[in-house]
Amino acid sequence: DAGVIQSPRHEVTEMGQEVTLRCKPISGHDYLFWYRQTMMRGLELLIYFNNNVPIDDSGMPEDRFSAKMPNASFSTLKIQPSEPRDSAVYFCASSPGYEKLFFGSGTQLSVL
Amino acid sequence: GDSVTQMEGPVTLSEEAFLTINCTYTATGYPSLFWYVQYPGEGLQLLLKATKADDKGSNKGFEATYRKETTSFHLEKGSVQVSDSAVYFCALRTNTGNQFYFGTGTSLTVIP
Repeated sequence: DAGVIQSPRHEVTEMGQEVTLRCKPISGHDYLFWYRQTMMRGLELLIYFNNNVPIDDSGMPEDRFSAKMPNASFSTLKIQPSEPRDSAVYFCASSPGYEKLFFGSGTQLSVL
Repeated sequence: GDSVTQMEGPVTLSEEAFLTINCTYTATGYPSLFWYVQYPGEGLQLLLKATKADDKGSNKGFEATYRKETTSFHLEKGSVQVSDSAVYFCALRTNTGNQFYFGTGTSLTVIP
């Protein structure tokens, strides 16, 4: 298995632009998580899905952020409009519902 | 709410030194506890876990014991190597859902 695949690895954009981050979870995993990592706040859970349904989005910072999971093999995290304070590493992780999370390599987002 | 608190870094040790990274948690019920490791430029990887009180998780020479009485899950290794240089995250998984909560991470650098 190729593991959790995230794209792009790096994204540099200007303030006000729309940003879309993509994630392909491991096949057969029922849970998908989006995390944001910053030096100041560490690793924050943004949202997670179970069987493609959003279960808890209380960590989404504001309405500029949205996430979708149209099918079991794909999820997106969108920021519109982006702001410099959104600069962070965004991780996607999937889980078969047991005790272990499998993380992607992350997307390094820089908003100028 | 549920949370994890771990010792702040960075930690710098000489090769073959003893390592302890403290972690305490707050949770309702009986969570599962984890240590994840993040190498530069990569996503987090599971290092070890414990699912009930007094369980000891171990992997690659690292150990941690689930102490319910002190709500702790300290990470230890008897003799660190340069290759252990990474960021270590303590985490818990609630028993009422599939949410994972992470500590802020402790950066470890091992010098030859």
